[in-house]
Amino acid sequence: QKEVEQDPGPLSVPEGAIVSLNCTYSNSAFQYFMWYRQYSRKGPELLMYTYSSGNKEDGRFTAQVDKSSKYISLFIRDSQPSDSATYLCAMSLSGGYNKLIFGAGTRLAVHP
Amino acid sequence: DGGITQSPKYLFRKEGQNVTLSCEQNLNHDAMYWYRQDPGQGLRLIYYSQIVNDFQKGDIAEGYSVSREKKESFPLTVTSAQKNPTAFYLCASSIAGDGGEQFFGPGTRLTVL
Repeated sequence: QKEVEQDPGPLSVPEGAIVSLNCTYSNSAFQYFMWYRQYSRKGPELLMYTYSSGNKEDGRFTAQVDKSSKYISLFIRDSQPSDSATYLCAMSLSGGYNKLIFGAGTRLAVHP
Repeated sequence: DGGITQSPKYLFRKEGQNVTLSCEQNLNHDAMYWYRQDPGQGLRLIYYSQIVNDFQKGDIAEGYSVSREKKESFPLTVTSAQKNPTAFYLCASSIAGDGGEQFFGPGTRLTVL
């Protein structure tokens, strides 16, 4: 079993839809949770960063962490064609050297 | 502009050759990392360094080597011992310590001919 599970998709939605992306994990010691967006043949770009449980909102993006369920989510409101990319979740422990464990990524396509 | 640069963007290697991928950052970060990305898989850590002249193996270090002689630079050498080197290689940096946000470079696509 992988430490971090993420549905690879692809996920196809119409422009303006609300998108929900999710990851589950097995290690309850993870403390830091991140979402990266990666366009084709580019490096990942950090979108959202949260520590421990709770919600964080930034514009059209909302990140949620539910540590009791070992489940994290990224919501995209009013999705745009420019949101079409692969979304990677990542997480790390505290007390360490900041090693990130990544999900495999979910490919999202937003069509006009 | 602050950021991370990687070169070259594309690299072709013949069987039996060693090649070196460059990574430079001007973010004044102490920690630097090398990841490998294969289709359908998440990023996997090859090597990391938290301070100059010190580095540690990640999960898939076999067939790779690194050096950290300057804070700004963390080159990765893919040796002939790496049996399946064709992949997308990503360099990242962060502040040292827990929870530092990692920022990535644009990547190098390595293809073995």
